[in-house]
Amino acid sequence: SQELEQSPQSLIVQEGKNLTINCTSSKTLYGLYWYKQKYGEGLIFLMMLQKGGEEKSHEKITAKLDEKKQQSSLHITASQPSHAGIYLCGADIQGGSEKLVFGKGTKLTVNP
Amino acid sequence: GAGVSQTPSNKVTEKGKYVELRCDPISGHTALYWYRQSLGQGPEFLIYFQGTGAADDSGLPNDRFFAVRPEGSVSTLKIQRTERGDSAVYLCASSANLGVDNEQFFGPGTRLTVL
Repeated sequence: SQELEQSPQSLIVQEGKNLTINCTSSKTLYGLYWYKQKYGEGLIFLMMLQKGGEEKSHEKITAKLDEKKQQSSLHITASQPSHAGIYLCGADIQGGSEKLVFGKGTKLTVNP
Repeated sequence: GAGVSQTPSNKVTEKGKYVELRCDPISGHTALYWYRQSLGQGPEFLIYFQGTGAADDSGLPNDRFFAVRPEGSVSTLKIQRTERGDSAVYLCASSANLGVDNEQFFGPGTRLTVL
């Protein structure tokens, strides 16, 4: 079974629209990482969340980790074509582990 | 370059052959990770090194897979008797510190195709 569930699997939005991607786990997320991936490229680090209730923003992207540390959301405001790609959440679900488990990703398409 | 580099970028081989995939981490990064990503899936952990030693190899699928990092820098992932199911993108990452707030920097990956 998938330890990290991402939703939706894919998303198509019109440029300028807001959107949210979710990452859910049945286990505690000791460290939650959001990455972006484009075809044929490696993962680009976006943000890391650690504390329950934590929220971080960078440019038009905001990520939150809920109080129970079992769900995170990634919100993009006023989306642009440059936001298109696959968004992956990865997490340490063992506590103090170096290995990350990842969701399957959310494919985002932004139409101009 | 300053980032993680991987060679080759693409590798096509025949079933049963032996392959080596190379990873050059960011200079000074002590931790190095290998992941495998199949089509439509997220990366799957294989192994990680702290310095020269494999600190956690629990993700290696079977004994056909082996990785080394003899001098604590460059790492090689070795796959013996390749099978079609080994086809995937193999990602390498490195990081500077251990710990939960430890950002892993990823390379572009090696796309392995086993015919």
